[in-house]
Amino acid sequence: QSALTQPASVPGSPGQSITISCTGTSSDVGGYNAVSWYQHHPGQAPKLMMSEVSQRPSGVSIRFSGSRSGNTASLTISGLQAEDEADYYCCSYAGSSTFVFGTGTHVTVL
Amino acid sequence: QVQLVQSGAEVTKPGASVKVSCKASQSTFITSYMHWVRQAPGQGLEWMGIINPNTGGKGFAQTFQGRFSMTSDTSTSTVYMELSNLRSDDTALYYCARSDLSGSGFFDHWGQGTLVTVSS
Repeated sequence: QSALTQPASVPGSPGQSITISCTGTSSDVGGYNAVSWYQHHPGQAPKLMMSEVSQRPSGVSIRFSGSRSGNTASLTISGLQAEDEADYYCCSYAGSSTFVFGTGTHVTVL
Repeated sequence: QVQLVQSGAEVTKPGASVKVSCKASQSTFITSYMHWVRQAPGQGLEWMGIINPNTGGKGFAQTFQGRFSMTSDTSTSTVYMELSNLRSDDTALYYCARSDLSGSGFFDHWGQGTLVTVSS
C-alpha cells in the first residue's frame, strides 16, 4: 500500500486561503468516505481536523473545510493564522481493514 | 473524557523485541477499534495496524506483517503492540489511536506517544 501523495510544503500569508491536496486511487481516497485530516505539531499527538471527507469535528475552527474530487481529497484553510503553522496529514481507509496516511504537508505562515 | 495512556520510552538493541502498551478507560475500550501509528525521525505518519479489543480481530499494514503483533487485555482495558527483530530504522515515536466501532474510520483520540530507540 503506497502512501497518499501530498505536497511537501504549502506557504501562505496571514489571512490568505490555502489548499492541501491528497491524491490516492479508487482503492482508497476515491473508494471510501473514510478520508480524514490531522494537524501535527512536533512533540504532540496528532489532532483530528476533518473526518469523512468534509465533516468538521466539534471544536475545530470553521476556517477548515474538506472536499473530494475523484481520487483527490483536499483540506482548505481560510483566513490563515500563525497558529495554523504545522504538519498536516490525510488518511484514508484502503480496504481489508487497512488504512494509509499521506506523505504529509508542512504549512508555513509567512 | 477519553484518555489513552501509553507506556514509557524504550531503548533496545537490533534484533530484539519491544512491547508497548496503551491503556484506555473501560467505556472507551468497549466502543473502539484501536490503531497503532508510528513516526520515524524526519518522516511522516505511518499506519501500522488495527485491533478490535473485544473480538481480537486485526488488520495489518503489509509492511509490518510478520514482525508486528497486537493483543488486548479486556480485564485492564489495555492493548499492546509488539515489534520483533528490531532494526535501527524502527526507531520512532509510536502512537496508539482510537476510532469508533461505526467504521467511520477516523482517529479522534491519540495516546501521548512512546519513543522506541533501537541502537547497538
